[in-house]
Amino acid sequence: GAVVSQHPSRVICKSGTSVKIECRSLDFQATTMFWYRQFPKQSLMLMATSNEGSKATYEQGVEKDKFLINHASLTLSTLTVTSAHPEDSSFYICSAKRGGLDTEAFFGQGTRLTVV
Amino acid sequence: QQQVKQSPQSLIVQKGGISIINCAYENTAFDYFPWYQQFPGKGPALLIAIRPDVSEKKEGRFTISFNKSAKQFSLHIMDSQPGDSATYFCAASVNSGYSTLTFGKGTMLLVSP
Repeated sequence: GAVVSQHPSRVICKSGTSVKIECRSLDFQATTMFWYRQFPKQSLMLMATSNEGSKATYEQGVEKDKFLINHASLTLSTLTVTSAHPEDSSFYICSAKRGGLDTEAFFGQGTRLTVV
Repeated sequence: QQQVKQSPQSLIVQKGGISIINCAYENTAFDYFPWYQQFPGKGPALLIAIRPDVSEKKEGRFTISFNKSAKQFSLHIMDSQPGDSATYFCAASVNSGYSTLTFGKGTMLLVSP
């Protein structure tokens, strides 16, 4: 299967600072990438969908100014959590699709963000 | 409105037994139904997926049964092993590269030795 690499796997940051999470498709071109947030023992909550070269589409209730998503190339998408606060602490997961009729989504390993 | 309902929330099965997880969906436009396995602290990994043109798909010890008229699908894990202990998510989407997955709430499976 295709590989999606997410970095870092864990990050601790101070309240008020920003943190960037990278998501890379290593062996395929990802026309669409997705960012999820997952709370302990809960399901994945879709935050936003991004297509290469265009603005991300955010789900209702997700602050686009706080969670900045950039999908600058067909192999890289980044999620920047700006002015992070303890309530932003969570597990963030990206996934990527090739596009077209290929519906299989490949997931990254996830990033555990802790804001102190 | 939860579009994919998953049950049970948790499941304990003895080693060698059969684990069964069920999902029901509402949106008749869904035509891709994957199951994901997630270990603690890791991202989900695709286990097996089915499209509505078949009623069953088997890969090794994992089988998906699909009932289009009832809008239900289930995952069966045969000869369950302790290494299968994980959280399992069913999902559904429309057949398009740009469509999003709608996930069930997950089932925590524990296979006792």
